[in-house]
Amino acid sequence: DAMVIQNPRYQVTQFGKPVTLSCSQTLNHNVMYWYQQKSSQAPKLLFHYYDKDFNNEADTPDNFQSRRPNTSFCFLDIRSPGLGDAAMYLCATRADRDATYEQYFGPGTRLTVT
Amino acid sequence: RKEVEQDPGPFNVPEGATVAFNCTYSNSASQSFFWYRQDCRKEPKLLMSVYSSGNEDGRFTAQLNRASQYISLLIRDSKLSDSATYLCVALRGNNDMRFGAGTRLTVKP
Repeated sequence: DAMVIQNPRYQVTQFGKPVTLSCSQTLNHNVMYWYQQKSSQAPKLLFHYYDKDFNNEADTPDNFQSRRPNTSFCFLDIRSPGLGDAAMYLCATRADRDATYEQYFGPGTRLTVT
Repeated sequence: RKEVEQDPGPFNVPEGATVAFNCTYSNSASQSFFWYRQDCRKEPKLLMSVYSSGNEDGRFTAQLNRASQYISLLIRDSKLSDSATYLCVALRGNNDMRFGAGTRLTVKP
């Protein structure tokens, strides 16, 4: 089935140790998003790619970086995780041609920082 | 002030009840609106889009009032399986989705 896949589902990292979360999609959607969601809070948009164009949110810390080597894959790099970065990280995709604007979410990666 | 605000709940209702959720948005440039459903520790999934004229999908009815910057979701004849968090979403442009923190619903037997 076409879908949005995130690996790993659970990631534990040490304070300050770089970590990479990955997202892949078989939907051939041209827009990909990364959200951070903390417990009982709204998903917060970190950045998105429109095709190859990277769009960073103004309040996304420099500690968070992203790469999109091709249409199918997108990575979230956290250069020096702090305790406050522990959260669920959600990847989502959308087809620009889709007039419904629906975003398709992956199952998320739950990041723990020790 | 958050851009999209919702009553966090929780709403605890018996099966068969009708329940309504409200949402307000602060950015008048928002053009499109949605309700997403998020089950515990799962990803959000689109429940329905919200149109100016109001729209209905089975037991679910969504309304939009642009003048008041207010969105609602009505669930009739609640089922146990409706228990989830309901996220209100406002879209600016094509890609700038702003989520509310969600309203938690528990439907009890």
